Amino acid sequence: EAQVTQNPRYLITVTGKKLTVTCSQNMNHEYMSWYRQDPGLGLRQIYYSMNVEVTDKGDVPEGYKVSRKEKRNFPLILESPSPNQTSLYFCASSLLGGGNQPQHFGDGTRLSIL
Amino acid sequence: GDSVTQMEGPVTLSEEAFLTINCTYTATGYPSLFWYVQYPGEGLQLLLKATKADDKGSNKGFEATYRKETTSFHLEKGSVQVSDSAVYFCALRNTGTASKLTFGTGTRLQVTL
Repeated sequence: EAQVTQNPRYLITVTGKKLTVTCSQNMNHEYMSWYRQDPGLGLRQIYYSMNVEVTDKGDVPEGYKVSRKEKRNFPLILESPSPNQTSLYFCASSLLGGGNQPQHFGDGTRLSIL
Repeated sequence: GDSVTQMEGPVTLSEEAFLTINCTYTATGYPSLFWYVQYPGEGLQLLLKATKADDKGSNKGFEATYRKETTSFHLEKGSVQVSDSAVYFCALRNTGTASKLTFGTGTRLQVTL
């Protein structure tokens, strides 16, 4: 089954404790992206990747890192999490980065930073 | 920059009522337009899309027409069901290989018996 898999689904942690949210897709997609969803703001892009070893900032990259060492994986790293990063996070992928390509989303990761 | 504006929710309808969720956009160039749906506790699923002016996207009884002259992409369904209760997001993706999805803030739909 074609899917985007995120882990963990839920995480409660404390300020400053490094964490990684994993994302994996099995569709051989080139384009991958991370979004955060906050009430009243919709989804905003954090980082994206056009292909292996090619990443770039989205609209809200501060406090986050990503890497793309393999085509299927695109982890999101919070080196020193802070309470304002409490949010619902989604990983998404598309075959290519083109405008008419729909993105496929994972089920989300709810992070609470205390 | 690009932006999407959706009507505020929640929208509460009785089963079998007609649904319209308004969506307008601002973008340079010729974006593709999408409607995504988010059921409780789940990720976003693509509901329908349209890639050029006057295209009509449709799926599961939902429809939306890409209106370039009014920069709109309103979502409609003739007869909603309780199972349609969800949050609906309008989004655009502009041309260019690095383009992201730009989302509206989402509209919650609640359908009651």
